[in-house]
Amino acid sequence: QKEVEQDPGPLSVPEGAIVSLNCTYSNSAFQYFMWYRQYSRKGPELLMYTYSSGNKEDGRFTAQVDKSSKYISLFIRDSQPSDSATYLCAMSANNFNKFYFGSGTKLNVKP
Amino acid sequence: EPEVTQTPSHQVTQMGQEVILRCVPISNHLYFYWYRQILGQKVEFLVSFYNNEISEKSEIFDDQFSVERPDGSNFTLKIRSTKLEDSAMYFCASRDTSGGDTQYFGPGTRLTVL
Repeated sequence: QKEVEQDPGPLSVPEGAIVSLNCTYSNSAFQYFMWYRQYSRKGPELLMYTYSSGNKEDGRFTAQVDKSSKYISLFIRDSQPSDSATYLCAMSANNFNKFYFGSGTKLNVKP
Repeated sequence: EPEVTQTPSHQVTQMGQEVILRCVPISNHLYFYWYRQILGQKVEFLVSFYNNEISEKSEIFDDQFSVERPDGSNFTLKIRSTKLEDSAMYFCASRDTSGGDTQYFGPGTRLTVL
């Protein structure tokens, strides 16, 4: 079983839609959960960071962590064409020595 | 805003040659990482580094790989004898414990092994 599973998409939505991106994981030791955005041939750019379970909101972005289900989500409200990118989830245990990435979900927001 | 930088942006080498990829982490960060991403695939952890020693390495990071912090600013990844399958984007990242336990990535070096 892979450490982190993420649907690769692609996910295509109209401008203004609410987007839901998800990852599941198998390692109960993971405590820190991150979402990155990656444009083609660029480095991952940190969007959101959450510790343990709960919700975190930043502008149009909301990150949710459900540790009991080993499931994390990123919601994008009022999606824009500029949100079109690949979204990567990443997670780590307490020691931060190693980060595990999902395979990324490619999102296309159509004008 | 401070950022991680990497050089070169693109490196082309012949199979069997040694390459050194360079990174300048954010200046007050203490934890450093290398990742690779083969085209169209996931970001894969290679190695983490703290206090001048390796904290953890993956199974990918075999004897052909080494890391070094030769001075106060640079962090390098050396591949001793490159293979065709080493062709990938290599990302450096650094982490600061005071501003949040998250990593900031550089723009990457695209390595092409011919």
